[in-house]
Amino acid sequence: KAGVTQTPRYLIKTRGQQVTLSCSPISGHRSVSWYQQTPGQGLQFLFEYFSETQRNKGNFPGRFSGRQFSNSRSEMNVSTLELGDSALYLCASRWGENTEAFFGQGTRLTVV
Amino acid sequence: EDKVVQSPLSLVVHEGDTVTLNCSYEVTNFRSLLWYKQEKKAPTFLFMLTSSGIEKKSGRLSSILDKKELSSILNITATQTGDSAIYLCAVNSNYQLIWGAGTKLIIKP
Repeated sequence: KAGVTQTPRYLIKTRGQQVTLSCSPISGHRSVSWYQQTPGQGLQFLFEYFSETQRNKGNFPGRFSGRQFSNSRSEMNVSTLELGDSALYLCASRWGENTEAFFGQGTRLTVV
Repeated sequence: EDKVVQSPLSLVVHEGDTVTLNCSYEVTNFRSLLWYKQEKKAPTFLFMLTSSGIEKKSGRLSSILDKKELSSILNITATQTGDSAIYLCAVNSNYQLIWGAGTKLIIKP
């Protein structure tokens, strides 16, 4: 059974650009969450989608947005990139609301 | 505001030692508590605890939940250098996993 797949694995962008990250959950999982992780920081919650609906959103500016498709795949978009957006972005999928989450390998975003 | 607090934030021990990591929580709608290990990138799932007082065990790792004290501990016995990692605790509440900051564990040979 394939795990959570995130693409791309690495990305370098310049300030002001926008970026789209992709996450394919484990087959059958309908919940997808996104997290930002910077050195020395824990997992900062961005948002969670379940059956194409955003159920929760973390405390991030409106430049961060996401969506989920009918096949449960999810995308995250960051517009007008800032240097501080450089981080590891992790996606996790769950079968249901009270089950364990499985993480992808992450996308390492560097903004220069 | 929901929060999860882990202690200590970092810990350095020698191979063979036993360690205990702590996780305490204050959340409005507790469903379960989860432990993860993060080495390089993706956190990997260790345990999920829902019932108080029931120990979950996997090899040298074990964990128990105390709902009365709103806390959980993760024990690692006979530590090895491969146990060096960040250990994350999360609480499932209102469709969301609320994460602690993690405990960075370093095992010295």
